[in-house]
Amino acid sequence: DSGVTQTPKHLITATGQRVTLRCSPRSGDLSVYWYQQSLDQGLQFLIQYYNGEERAKGNILERFSAQQFPDLHSELNLSSLELGDSALYFCASSVAAGESTDTQYFGPGTRLTVL
Amino acid sequence: LAKTTQPISMDSYEGQEVNITCSHNNIATNDYITWYQQFPSQGPRFIIQGYKTKVTNEVASLFIPADRKSSTLSLPRVSLSDTAVYYCLVGVAFSGGYNKLIFGAGTRLAVHP
Repeated sequence: DSGVTQTPKHLITATGQRVTLRCSPRSGDLSVYWYQQSLDQGLQFLIQYYNGEERAKGNILERFSAQQFPDLHSELNLSSLELGDSALYFCASSVAAGESTDTQYFGPGTRLTVL
Repeated sequence: LAKTTQPISMDSYEGQEVNITCSHNNIATNDYITWYQQFPSQGPRFIIQGYKTKVTNEVASLFIPADRKSSTLSLPRVSLSDTAVYYCLVGVAFSGGYNKLIFGAGTRLAVHP
């Protein structure tokens, strides 16, 4: 158990809908990262928040957005969902801002299925 | 950005030592090398991290030569439960003040009885 929690574990929805994925970091961690993993794309970095502020951005679509709240939990919002958005979405957390030595601890993931 | 290159897949047998090498020719001075393990439908799990020479923990060893352009993850006496994908991650790339975090394709290790 990494100490990172994600809800829900599974989510099934229809195209065009909007969903929210939730992540609670390990106690004391200030950074939250979001990743998408699909069968043909591997593990893709989406976005990082550090202490409430956006810190780094990867290949995140404009239909996706995220935020980190004062209690440091984070939400990833996916809108206008398409079939291709079906994937595992992982959240990770780390103590600091993402420097080279900053180990990321991953949650169990949310499996999103878009029908 | 230090791009990493790893073998796509490897096969081994129970009880053998497995060495997975990662190439990172453009590693920066301040970059560390980190390895993660991922089982199907689970999040990656930190295995080991190092900067130079050799690092050992209860799970694995990491060998880094003096030029740091490659690293080798060594798993002693693997078991069936070591079947997983192993990712080599090198430092972070700074671009416009932001960190970019890149996982490579990973090495799919299959351990056979």
